[in-house]
Parts: sequence; structure tokens; C-alpha cells
Amino acid sequence: AQSVTQLGSHVSVSEGALVLLRCNYSSSVPPYLFWYVQYPNQGLQLLLKYTTGATLVKGINGFEAEFKKSETSFHLTKPSAHMSDAAEYFCAVIPNNAGNMLTFGGGTRLMVKP
Amino acid sequence: GAGVSQSPSNKVTEKGKDVELRCDPISGHTALYWYRQSLGQGLEFLIYFQGNSAPDKSGLPSDRFSAERTGGSVSTLTIQRTQQEDSAVYLCASSRARSLYEQYFGPGTRLTVT
Repeated sequence: AQSVTQLGSHVSVSEGALVLLRCNYSSSVPPYLFWYVQYPNQGLQLLLKYTTGATLVKGINGFEAEFKKSETSFHLTKPSAHMSDAAEYFCAVIPNNAGNMLTFGGGTRLMVKP
Repeated sequence: GAGVSQSPSNKVTEKGKDVELRCDPISGHTALYWYRQSLGQGLEFLIYFQGNSAPDKSGLPSDRFSAERTGGSVSTLTIQRTQQEDSAVYLCASSRARSLYEQYFGPGTRLTVT
């Protein structure tokens, strides 16, 4: 079965610093890859996705992620953190040969210090 | 336009009671998904409806859980004889037929079983 690993359940950065949230998946066949953000007491919002094509994907709010097949990774980055980025971030996959259901990682809570 | 809506936003019930959770997908979205978010299990898929096809129930944790979708729109998730381990946030998502991988999530229903 497909699995998704997010390294670090909590990440703390200073405002203006680089944000790096790590995601690795287990699959010999690259799946479709997603990052979602969840603000307190809200649902999930799609930040960005990779299905095919360019491996560097840009999303909303200045975030981007790069699909690296050789490393089975899809890390999320943002050059400069803002206080409003504080939230929980979920990496997710859909196996590209089976269904449309998302399999999520455990989530990473991002804290931004002033 | 209106997003995915869910009701109620919060539900407290006694162990052994039945509960019904409702989801109104985005108008025109043919696919509808239920997920559960709990402290112990993270985010997990429950059930998926696509058009008139038979639903994919592979994620339902027990036969106490069931869901239906009437007229290809509104969906109801029913949990019979609730147990304390059913306490979680139940999230609904929908997507368009042409873009099944872009799932839009509702705010969720927080279920507490006492």
C-alpha cells in the first residue's frame, strides 16, 4: 500500500526565514502528489499538486514543491515565512493506477516566530 | 461560488446512539469523498462516490458506517451505535469529473462520542 511520510510533526521558523517541509512517498510508480494546508477549525485547502509535466510546481501563497523521482520526495518550500503561514500542512498522494482517494501523511505543524 | 458545506459543525452524542452527518458538495461536482481526521489515525479515506457508479466503500472501518448520496448531490454519512473511537472530525470533499484530483474540502463536522 502507498504510504506518505512527513519528517517532523512540528517545524518552527522565524518570520522571513525559509520554510522547508519534507515529504517522502513509497511507490515504485510515481503517484500524483499534493500539498494541503489546514488552518485552525477549517477544512483542507489545496496548495499545489503534481500530476505530470514540470517537476517544479508553484502553488498559492508563494509556496512551491519539487518532485524528485530519484529521491521519492515532494518537499514544500517558501523563501520567506509570514506569520499567516502558521498552520498544519499535509502531503498527500493518489496512486496513478488506482482510484482517486487521497492518502495523507501525518501532517506538519508550522509555527512562525516574530 | 459556494464551497462544500457540512452540517452540523459540531455534534456531541452518547455512546450507542446513531448519528447522521450531511455534506453538500459544490454544485456541478460529480465526485464526493468522505474522510476522517482523528488524533490517533490522522487523515483517512472512508468512501467515494462518482456519478452513478457504485461507491467505493473500501475505507469504511466497520459495518456501523454507511453513506448514501441522493440525486448525485447531497450525501449523508451515518454511524450506527457510536463508539468513543468514532470521535473525530469528518471531512467531506468534492471534485469535478474533468479534474478528479482537485478535491475541495468542507469545514468538517466534529463528532464527540461521550
